[in-house]
Amino acid sequence: QKEVEQDPGPLSVPEGAIVSLNCTYSNSAFQYFMWYRQYSRKGPELLMYTYSSGNKEDGRFTAQVDKSSKYISLFIRDSQPSDSATYLCAGGSSASKIIFGSGTRLSIRP
Amino acid sequence: KAGVTQTPRYLIKTRGQQVTLSCSPISGHRSVSWYQQTPGQGLQFLFEYFSETQRNKGNFPGRFSGRQFSNSRSEMNVSTLELGDSALYLCASNSGGADTQYFGPGTRLTVL
Repeated sequence: QKEVEQDPGPLSVPEGAIVSLNCTYSNSAFQYFMWYRQYSRKGPELLMYTYSSGNKEDGRFTAQVDKSSKYISLFIRDSQPSDSATYLCAGGSSASKIIFGSGTRLSIRP
Repeated sequence: KAGVTQTPRYLIKTRGQQVTLSCSPISGHRSVSWYQQTPGQGLQFLFEYFSETQRNKGNFPGRFSGRQFSNSRSEMNVSTLELGDSALYLCASNSGGADTQYFGPGTRLTVL
């Protein structure tokens, strides 16, 4: 079993919809949680970072971490075609050793 | 501020050869991590260097090695290449906290 599990998709939604992306993790020692966005032929870029449990909001993006159920979520409101990318969740017990999920391919239909 | 740069961007090698990839972190960043990304396995952590010392290591064979120089630039070496080493190799630099890990564009290695 991988330490971070993520549905690879693809996920296709119409423009303006709310997108929900989810991951589960197995390591109880994880304290650092991140979401990265990766466009084709580019390196991942950090979208959201959360330390321990809780919610974090940044514009149209909200990240949630529930440590009791080992669940990581990313919500995208008012989705745009420019949000079409692969989204990677990640967690780690150390700031320098992060384990990534396999990524979910998201497509926003105009 | 310039981002993380990786060279070369594309590389084609044959089985049995060795390869060296280079990464220049963001100015002021002392931590450099290397990852391998493949469609089947996703992003996998190779190792992390901080101040010229390997601080963390993933579960890769000894054919994968790295080093970091005093200017924080890092190199990764893969010896005796195998077909399965074909992947996108990503370098990330970090100023110290998990929220500041910045990735480079990657080096796409193809092993024939």
